[in-house]
Amino acid sequence: LAKTTQPISMDSYEGQEVNITCSHNNIATNDYITWYQQFPSQGPRFIIQGYKTKVTNEVASLFIPADRKSSTLSLPRVSLSDTAVYYCLVALRGSSYKLIFGSGTRLLVRP
Amino acid sequence: EPEVTQTPSHQVTQMGQEVILRCVPISNHLYFYWYRQILGQKVEFLVSFYNNEISEKSEIFDDQFSVERPDGSNFTLKIRSTKLEDSAMYFCASSEGRYNSSTDTQYFGPGTRLTVL
Repeated sequence: LAKTTQPISMDSYEGQEVNITCSHNNIATNDYITWYQQFPSQGPRFIIQGYKTKVTNEVASLFIPADRKSSTLSLPRVSLSDTAVYYCLVALRGSSYKLIFGSGTRLLVRP
Repeated sequence: EPEVTQTPSHQVTQMGQEVILRCVPISNHLYFYWYRQILGQKVEFLVSFYNNEISEKSEIFDDQFSVERPDGSNFTLKIRSTKLEDSAMYFCASSEGRYNSSTDTQYFGPGTRLTVL
């Protein structure tokens, strides 16, 4: 059964690095892995996207191993405003093609 | 910065009624999507739309749902006969479709909160 798995929640303190991993079996071979951030009562907001190895932008890094069965979002030096729910989004191929958001990881950043 | 817009922000309807949720995707985007999020739960994919036809759909997107691009700017989701369990936040999204992939970067609208009584 194709599915994704993320930790339900994580706690951190301002200035720390936070790593959130999403496990995804049966991922589509040609599609990207994308991470989104969601604040309450808002739509998801794009953070970063990658296909394999490592991708870095101005807000995060994304690590994807060669087998692409997982991906890790890395947020350097988090601040209070990073408190949100983080989702991975992948395309899974099984009996049918489907876009799947992970279950979401609720990150709480404390002062 | 261009953004996806959705109307209305909140829709209240009676069970069994039809509702149409409207979205205006970013103008040069080619892929359009609808998602729903039941309160306190994760975002769930409903359907993607490309080149004026459904590209992919989930098992949630059954015969009571339909999508349409009635003109060059709007993208609508119709729920024919609403049920209590259709109460959720519905998000529209669009992507450029640069790589002809539905996992291209998606830009989400603010959502429409649908309440079915």
